[in-house]
Amino acid sequence: AQSVAQPEDQVNVAEGNPLTVKCTYSVSGNPYLFWYVQYPNRGLQFLLKYITGDNLVKGSYGFEAEFNKSQTSFHLKKPSALVSDSALYFCAVRDGSNDYKLSFGAGTTVTVRA
Amino acid sequence: DAGVTQSPTHLIKTRGQQVTLRCSPKSGHDTVSWYQQALGQGPQFIFQYYEEEERQRGNFPDRFSGHQFPNYSSELNVNALLLGDSALYLCASSSLAGLETQYFGPGTRLLVL
Repeated sequence: AQSVAQPEDQVNVAEGNPLTVKCTYSVSGNPYLFWYVQYPNRGLQFLLKYITGDNLVKGSYGFEAEFNKSQTSFHLKKPSALVSDSALYFCAVRDGSNDYKLSFGAGTTVTVRA
Repeated sequence: DAGVTQSPTHLIKTRGQQVTLRCSPKSGHDTVSWYQQALGQGPQFIFQYYEEEERQRGNFPDRFSGHQFPNYSSELNVNALLLGDSALYLCASSSLAGLETQYFGPGTRLLVL
């Protein structure tokens, strides 16, 4: 079985400040980890992924995430948040050893105030 | 290059009816997955199609069925609709037999009255 936990329902930051969205995962095989963003009444937009290699992954729109195997975490970060980053963020995991499905967390709503 | 497209965008049905949702994958993709996103929740995996076969299925009843066509497009069918089937239905496509990143369409919002 695989699962994702996003411990914060909401994250509020001021524009220009660093943004962090937390994610921890559980998977029996190799973790393939993903971050998606969802704007109101829209589908999910891919931001970045970790499959293997460097633990720090860089993605779209200045976002990055750090894979930490010992803490089973994959936190999303952005050094300087923009008002346009306000959206719903989902972390997802796939068991790369023997599975095709993505398992998603419940999502974190990010609000960036001007 | 068109991304993943879904139709219709919105749909209203009554309990007991049947519905068909459609998905066209991103160009070059051969695998289609379907997810259900209830209000305030993360997407839940329904099933995945590859080579016109259902390859993996999530924890959904047999009322949910699908199909993949030779051009890789896909349909999701839900029979005997329940109020609890009201949700955003997302289609995702991927390449390399599903091993690559899944890219999502805009979704179909289904309301069951």
